[in-house]
Amino acid sequence: KAGVTQTPRYLIKTRGQQVTLSCSPISGHRSVSWYQQTPGQGLQFLFEYFSETQRNKGNFPGRFSGRQFSNSRSEMNVSTLELGDSALYLCASSPGLAGGFYEQYFGPGTRLTVT
Amino acid sequence: DQQVKQNSPSLSVQEGRISILNCDYTNSMFDYFLWYKKYPAEGPTFLISISSIKDKNEDGRFTVFLNKSAKHLSLHIVPSQPGDSAVYFCAASVSRSGNTPLVFGKGTRLSVIA
Repeated sequence: KAGVTQTPRYLIKTRGQQVTLSCSPISGHRSVSWYQQTPGQGLQFLFEYFSETQRNKGNFPGRFSGRQFSNSRSEMNVSTLELGDSALYLCASSPGLAGGFYEQYFGPGTRLTVT
Repeated sequence: DQQVKQNSPSLSVQEGRISILNCDYTNSMFDYFLWYKKYPAEGPTFLISISSIKDKNEDGRFTVFLNKSAKHLSLHIVPSQPGDSAVYFCAASVSRSGNTPLVFGKGTRLSVIA
């Protein structure tokens, strides 16, 4: 089974621009979660999508948004980039069914650098 | 307020010895705990998990212990190998509420010295 894929792997943007990152989950997984990892901060939850609906949301400003398509692929968008948005953005997928817990499987991440 | 804390940013262990990584949590609603391992330039890889109904779970060289009264869990790696050198993240969730997000600690960098 193919793992979680993320594109692009590396990205350099200028402050004020916007960016879109893409994630393809493991086949059959319907839940996609996004995390931001910055040095010394661990992984901070951005949002989770399940069946094209945002099911959970972390404590990030509205500049961060996402969506999920009918094939479970997901995109996240960051508008008006700030220097502090430089981070590794990780996508994770799981079956996502309610009533239980499923381990999340992570992609390799997109390294975003804002200059 | 950090709900999951890994107070040791780094740990060095000799090859063949035991590595013990610690994690504390504050939210008493957490009932499912996981450990992930992360190599540079890769995403975190699931290692081992434990439900709050257990106090120990073992998988090969890896054992996770959970002390609910102390809100503490630990990951033991025996024997440690150079390939275990990575950043280890502790994570927790409230599974009874359905698919709630994972809450991660900041990680502990383990270096296994040959």
